[in-house]
Amino acid sequence: AQTIHQWPVAEIKAVGSPLSLGCTIKGKSSPNLYWYWQATGGTLQQLFYSITVGQVESVVQLNLSASRPKDDQFILSTEKLLLSHSGFYLCAWNQNNQAPLFGEGTRLSVL
Amino acid sequence: AQSVTQPDARVTVSEGASLQLRCKYSYSGTPYLFWYVQYPRQGLQLLLKYYSGDPVVQGVNGFEAEFIKSNSSFHLRKASVHWSDSAVYFCAVSGANYNVLYFGSGTKLTVEP
Repeated sequence: AQTIHQWPVAEIKAVGSPLSLGCTIKGKSSPNLYWYWQATGGTLQQLFYSITVGQVESVVQLNLSASRPKDDQFILSTEKLLLSHSGFYLCAWNQNNQAPLFGEGTRLSVL
Repeated sequence: AQSVTQPDARVTVSEGASLQLRCKYSYSGTPYLFWYVQYPRQGLQLLLKYYSGDPVVQGVNGFEAEFIKSNSSFHLRKASVHWSDSAVYFCAVSGANYNVLYFGSGTKLTVEP
């Protein structure tokens, strides 16, 4: 069975500090991968998607970057956090005509 | 422009009552439509999806949705709600390649005993 794992579960970071969030898919090869951001109590906004290793497309950057170093791994990062980066970050995956399926998310608080 | 509108931010119903959550979309191509549910502090779970064919699609836990092309709507329904259905429900639209998924603002459903 396919599993999606996001890490860490939660982070508390200072403004101006770096950030790295991870997402791993197990049990599938060559999945499409997605990053979404959800402001507290708000809707979801797609940030990035990746169809293949080494290729990432930006939808809305929000001063963040993403990378896909391995087939099963998607990384979201920034060198300097802003207060506005606080929220809930969700990774999702799909293949073929399947609807995107989501991980459990990472809650980020920037202080 | 691509967008999804969920006009009801909050809906409260009694347990056992029927439910309809509204969703209207704007999409320039052929829309692929989804309903997701989010329980507190969790990720999203897929309830159902519509690509083509029968405009009424069945999902998990007794949910269904009807695609009405003339009205650009994809409302979610359930005949009898349970307290465990209390959650936030999101409607979303994408194109055939799923590269970008556009979400509505969500509807918070509260089921009262």
